Amino acid sequence: DGGITQSPKYLFRKEGQNVTLSCEQNLNHDAMYWYRQDPGQGLRLIYYSQIVNDFQKGDIAEGYSVSREKKESFPLTVTSAQKNPTAFYLCASSMGGNSYEQYFGPGTRLTVT
Amino acid sequence: GQNIDQPTEMTATEGAIVQINCTYQTSGFNGLFWYQQHAGEAPTFLSYNVLDGLEEKGRFSSFLSRSKGYSYLLLKELQMKDSASYLCAVSRLRGPQGGKLIFGQGTELSVKP
Repeated sequence: DGGITQSPKYLFRKEGQNVTLSCEQNLNHDAMYWYRQDPGQGLRLIYYSQIVNDFQKGDIAEGYSVSREKKESFPLTVTSAQKNPTAFYLCASSMGGNSYEQYFGPGTRLTVT
Repeated sequence: GQNIDQPTEMTATEGAIVQINCTYQTSGFNGLFWYQQHAGEAPTFLSYNVLDGLEEKGRFSSFLSRSKGYSYLLLKELQMKDSASYLCAVSRLRGPQGGKLIFGQGTELSVKP
């Protein structure tokens, strides 16, 4: 089945550690996105990529890094520089162009203590 | 700049009709999306409006007025499973801010028996 997957669903880390969240899609979509969602808030864009080997910062990129070496994969690294990393992280993909709907993965809930 | 406003929460009765409003201010408007998100899950696509008017899809309809910067999502024959957060998202034309969606904070809808 075609879809977008994120793993793991729950992740726990100690403060000061970097952690990488996985996002894979087999929809043959060009564009991929990472969002962060905090309780009672909407989705905020961290990074996005419209094509392989290229990506742009979103609204809250500080403390995060990404790579887009393959069309199917867009991993997000939460670095120790991110001041408030505990959140629900959502990955999405679309055909590209902003008139196409985005398909979301199931999300990863990261807790840093 | 850009701004998207939705009510934080709404309550309605099973079997009734509810209208969730969304107002926005943005330049280079290229369409408006509505997503449904159940607690702890990924958002799922409901509708996309790029031209003025009403789009109907089963029990859900979405309306857009570009001149007023206004949209609404209309849910008919409410069911308990419609209890969820409803996210309004604006798409912008290509440019420095193109290729991405700007999300509102979401409206938490509670459907009561």
